[in-house]
Amino acid sequence: KNQVEQSPQSLIILEGKNCTLQCNYTVSPFSNLRWYKQDTGRGPVSLTIMTFSENTKSNGRYTATLDADTKQSSLHITASQLSDSASYICVVSDVNSGYSTLTFGKGTMLLVSP
Amino acid sequence: KAGVTQTPRYLIKTRGQQVTLSCSPISGHRSVSWYQQTPGQGLQFLFEYFSETQRNKGNFPGRFSGRQFSNSRSEMNVSTLELGDSALYLCASSLWAGRSDYGYTFGSGTRLTVV
Repeated sequence: KNQVEQSPQSLIILEGKNCTLQCNYTVSPFSNLRWYKQDTGRGPVSLTIMTFSENTKSNGRYTATLDADTKQSSLHITASQLSDSASYICVVSDVNSGYSTLTFGKGTMLLVSP
Repeated sequence: KAGVTQTPRYLIKTRGQQVTLSCSPISGHRSVSWYQQTPGQGLQFLFEYFSETQRNKGNFPGRFSGRQFSNSRSEMNVSTLELGDSALYLCASSLWAGRSDYGYTFGSGTRLTVV
């Protein structure tokens, strides 16, 4: 069964500090991995997408890494801002017979404190 | 261009009632997927529609149903509501069904509370 595990479940950091969120997956066959940011009461917004051959992808202060061998990904947030307070969800896609399905992690809730 | 629009944003219903939620995808997108999000379970896939046909379905009881119209707008219906159906219901639109490389754009969701 495909699974995506995220850690930590929640995290509090001071404004301006860096943090790293983790995602481990057992999804096969692997197609791609996305990190989403979801503000409270809103829908998720895609931050990065990585395929098997990519091991780093940046989007401003967000940098995602992928190790396809160990099936791990991380999302690093640099110089955090109050607006980074949100849930971060790791989503892994598989593809069978040309059709992709998504497996969602339960998310990491990040609170950036002033 | 306009994003994915979900209506209504909030709903309060009583146990046993039924509810219909609406989703208008991004113009040109033909696939609409529906998800249930709860604090304990995270995002769970309900179903995906493409060209008015259900292409994939998650593990939810038959009380949850959906449909898609010729203009790609989609509705989902939940009958005989239970307290456990309280959740944020999200829809996502995409150019094509089952193609995660095209990406999914989510709406802001409908917050359903069953009392």
